[in-house]
Amino acid sequence: GQSLEQPSEVTAVEGAIVQINCTYQTSGFYGLSWYQQHDGGAPTFLSYNALDGLEETGRFSSFLSRSDSYGYLLLQELQMKDSASYFCAVRVSTGANNLFFGTGTRLTVIP
Amino acid sequence: DAGITQSPRHKVTETGTPVTLRCHQTENHRYMYWYRQDPGHGLRLIHYSYGVKDTDKGEVSDGYSVSRSKTEDFLLTLESATSSQTSVYFCAISPSTVSIREQPQHFGDGTRLSIL
Repeated sequence: GQSLEQPSEVTAVEGAIVQINCTYQTSGFYGLSWYQQHDGGAPTFLSYNALDGLEETGRFSSFLSRSDSYGYLLLQELQMKDSASYFCAVRVSTGANNLFFGTGTRLTVIP
Repeated sequence: DAGITQSPRHKVTETGTPVTLRCHQTENHRYMYWYRQDPGHGLRLIHYSYGVKDTDKGEVSDGYSVSRSKTEDFLLTLESATSSQTSVYFCAISPSTVSIREQPQHFGDGTRLSIL
């Protein structure tokens, strides 16, 4: 089976940097994804790591350590619009690109 | 934005009635998925499809069935709805991938289903 752990809530100040951690236990692993979801909205893709290391996309970066079964999402120069839920998800097969999602971290950005 | 439409967007029905949710895509993507989202559980996969008439179960498939008769349509059916199936249902699509790079899943706007 699969399990993912991420903090349920994080609060950070506008303009600051925040890191959201994700640890996983899976029977198959092909990569770690991050999705963002605003209240009442649909999840949207942020980033994907298949190999160890850091992937940077604008203000967002994502890191993976396969040996530690650990990854994180780093958000820099936080803006109020970054207040949302963030989900890590493991890609568990190459067959149908299936994902197994964590329970999500609710990020609140305060002025 | 990926062309993916869910219908209906909201539905209220009674326990024991059948319910069908529709997901329609215009992207010609191979893979389609149905998830449910409940507080404290994140997104849980119900069923997925890897082609026309090719479907398989996800982690929470009990009480649900699916059908895919055309590439663009993926239907989720609750044969006899129960209150425990009150949830927000998301459809997602993804193209096939032959590389290490992920092909991300694109989600529809969701269907809020209430079963009384």
